[in-house]
Amino acid sequence: QSVLTQPPSVSAAPGQKVTISCSGSNSNIGNNYVSWYQQLPGTAPKLLIYDNNKRPSGIPDRFSGSKSGTSATLGITGLQTGDEADYSCGTWDSSLSAEVFGTGTKVTVL
Amino acid sequence: EVQLVESGGGLVQPGRSLRLSCAASGFTFDDYAMHWVRQAPGKGLQWVSGISYNSGSLGYADSVKGRFTISRDNAKNSLYLQMNSLRAEDTALYYCARDMGEYYGGDTFDIWGQGTMVTVSS
Repeated sequence: QSVLTQPPSVSAAPGQKVTISCSGSNSNIGNNYVSWYQQLPGTAPKLLIYDNNKRPSGIPDRFSGSKSGTSATLGITGLQTGDEADYSCGTWDSSLSAEVFGTGTKVTVL
Repeated sequence: EVQLVESGGGLVQPGRSLRLSCAASGFTFDDYAMHWVRQAPGKGLQWVSGISYNSGSLGYADSVKGRFTISRDNAKNSLYLQMNSLRAEDTALYYCARDMGEYYGGDTFDIWGQGTMVTVSS
């Protein structure tokens, strides 16, 4: 049972924008950095965003992250067919002393 | 090229043991904490265990505590997961992942292997 809640799916047309929410609590998102991972079909996860809003080298600025209180958000602008994937948030949970992930959101490009 | 390659997965009966390995290359292995993360078929990611760069700090998910043991051999650039008393619910693809920092806790996983499948079934 994941402690971080995400919508099961979001969709939009090519070129449009989508946002994915990740809801937690003070023991996780509220007091720790959030990361976001992209998992293309049949592949390993890939780091997209870390420390709430930083992008690793090579990640385009179409991907952005933000955090407010006990929620975090991933934004994808200029949606492309290659963005169709599962996206998961992750953070440390201080009460559980464990890394926790969100339930995952499938992005569909219409 | 920075790379993690897992091995050791397979089909195992409930109650038996299995040892996973992860071979690292292309970076200074003992500069980083390392983790195991699993994904059951059709499900989300679940952190399993983490270990600091010098093995001084270890952590486990409650679901595997007391049954799984993480270890590393920095001389061999390798990470291991000893899995005992396996259960059907341990069936998953097991990923080895590099932490961006030296210590586990407040983790960000920046490099992932392709995973090794573990199936627990009679």
